[in-house]
Amino acid sequence: DAEITQSPRHKITETGRQVTLACHQTWNHNNMFWYRQDLGHGLRLIHYSYGVQDTNKGEVSDGYSVSRSNTEDLPLTLESAASSQTSVYFCASSGQRDRSNEQFFGPGTRLTVL
Amino acid sequence: GQQVMQIPQYQHVQEGEDFTTYCNSSTTLSNIQWYKQRPGGHPVFLIQLVKSGEVKKQKRLTFQFGEAKKNSSLHITATQTTDVGTYFCAGDKAAGNKLTFGGGTRVLVKP
Repeated sequence: DAEITQSPRHKITETGRQVTLACHQTWNHNNMFWYRQDLGHGLRLIHYSYGVQDTNKGEVSDGYSVSRSNTEDLPLTLESAASSQTSVYFCASSGQRDRSNEQFFGPGTRLTVL
Repeated sequence: GQQVMQIPQYQHVQEGEDFTTYCNSSTTLSNIQWYKQRPGGHPVFLIQLVKSGEVKKQKRLTFQFGEAKKNSSLHITATQTTDVGTYFCAGDKAAGNKLTFGGGTRVLVKP
């Protein structure tokens, strides 16, 4: 069965370190998204991609970057982790850009920055 | 930028009772989606509304999209303990599947 996976599921790091969170989907979806979830803020879009070599900034993109070298993967990199980036991170994917389709979410990565 | 607000933030419901959660967008939407997140889980798609005034039902859940395509509601009848979780609306402004999520309504059910 097709799925979307994230790794690691839990990560503790120190301020200033570079961290990369992995997202892998086997749906063959064009669209991929990264969100962060914090109490009181719901889900906020960090970056998104509509296809290979395409990346776009979301509403809270500062301090984060992504790259899309293939259809299946959209890794999220925190260039220099800050305590304010402690959060739960969700990756999601959906089918086609010109149609609004449901987004399929991964299980999430809980990141703690000390 | 686009904002999506949900009320209430928390909803304590007696088992068997009905409740409604509301979603309001600052801009006209192309469509709106609803997701449910169980405690400790990830958001799961429930439904998408596209047409002005659209009403859709899923068993005990009724979803509405406002005439102006700026607001939506989710009504749950005869609440059960399985309804526990956080319900999010998510607005798509330009049909590009770039969603703006509301803050969610966290539902707690009292048996």
